[in-house]
Amino acid sequence: KAGVTQTPRYLIKTRGQQVTLSCSPISGHRSVSWYQQTPGQGLQFLFEYFSETQRNKGNFPGRFSGRQFSNSRSEMNVSTLELGDSALYLCASSLAPLDAEAFFGQGTRLTVV
Amino acid sequence: SQQGEEDPQALSIQEGENATMNCSYKTSINNLQWYRQNSGRGLVHLILIRSNEREKHSGRLRVTLDTSKKSSSLLITASRAADTASYFCATDKKAAGNKLTFGGGTRVLVKP
Repeated sequence: KAGVTQTPRYLIKTRGQQVTLSCSPISGHRSVSWYQQTPGQGLQFLFEYFSETQRNKGNFPGRFSGRQFSNSRSEMNVSTLELGDSALYLCASSLAPLDAEAFFGQGTRLTVV
Repeated sequence: SQQGEEDPQALSIQEGENATMNCSYKTSINNLQWYRQNSGRGLVHLILIRSNEREKHSGRLRVTLDTSKKSSSLLITASRAADTASYFCATDKKAAGNKLTFGGGTRVLVKP
């Protein structure tokens, strides 16, 4: 069974640009969450989607947005990139919203220059 | 903000020794999960323990949970060089769906 797939693996963008990251969850999983990992702040929750609806949102500015499609694949978008957005972005997939193990992808390493 | 702290922040041991790391958290939880991360790559799920469980085993891993002390420990027995990684605990709460709150992690170095 394939794991969580994130694309692209690496990305370099310029300040002010926007970026879209993609996540395909494990087959049959309907809950997708996104996290940002930086050396200074550690792992922080961005948002969670289930059945195409955002269920939870972390404490990030509105430049960070996401969506989920009917096939459970999810995308997150960051607009007007800042240097501080450089991070490893991780996607996690779970079978259901509660009482479920969360399995992570390999992440997308975003560098903003 | 981080839910809790992990202790120690770094650990260096010889191959074959046991490694123990602890995780403390601040609020009541539903589940606690442990993850491993190698060199800034993805998180590998190790084990999930529910709030009504006290101990779980998986291979060389043993996890305990003490909800009265709001703490958990991860023991890796007979460590191997391949266990060199960062280990994170993550908690979730019933009211927050699948939102995980992570600790700062423990960096483990297993020397051959």
